[in-house]
Amino acid sequence: DAMVIQNPRYQVTQFGKPVTLSCSQTLNHNVMYWYQQKSSQAPKLLFHYYDKDFNNEADTPDNFQSRRPNTSFCFLDIRSPGLGDAAMYLCATSRGTNEQFFGPGTRLTVL
Amino acid sequence: GQQLNQSPQSMFIQEGEDVSMNCTSSSIFNTWLWYKQDPGEGPVLLIALYKAGELTSNGRLTAQFGITRKDSFLNISASIPSDVGIYFCAGRRETSGSRLTFGEGTQLTVNP
Repeated sequence: DAMVIQNPRYQVTQFGKPVTLSCSQTLNHNVMYWYQQKSSQAPKLLFHYYDKDFNNEADTPDNFQSRRPNTSFCFLDIRSPGLGDAAMYLCATSRGTNEQFFGPGTRLTVL
Repeated sequence: GQQLNQSPQSMFIQEGEDVSMNCTSSSIFNTWLWYKQDPGEGPVLLIALYKAGELTSNGRLTAQFGITRKDSFLNISASIPSDVGIYFCAGRRETSGSRLTFGEGTQLTVNP
């Protein structure tokens, strides 16, 4: 089945230790998104790639970076995680401006 | 950014009851989406609406795109325990590209 895959599902890192979260998709969608979601709140868009074009949200901290080496994969890099970065990180994809499909998420814990 | 007002914030119902939740905005949206999120999982798309006045069903779920393009509702009929979760509305505006604006969610609890 076509899907959005996120690895790992659970990630533990130490304060200040860089961490990378991965997303892949078999939907062949041209747009990929990264969201941060804190407990029971709505997902908050960090940035997205529309094809190869990177679109950063104005309030996304510099601590968060992203890479999209090809259509299928997208990475979220957190350069120096702080305690406030503990959250669920959601990857989503869409075909253009059509509906977005989410992955299962990665729960990040910062010790 | 622009917010969607989603209500109610939470609902506690008995199995078999019908449920209704809605989202409103002061802005016009071109697309309305309804998602359900289970604990520890990503949101799952339930219904997508693309046209003002559109009424779409997915099993026991029915959603409508408001005629003013500023609101949408989701109804769940004959609720069952597995309907428990958080329901989010999301809208896309003409000027926002592919970005979505999310409502704050409705936490649904179904008592057997």
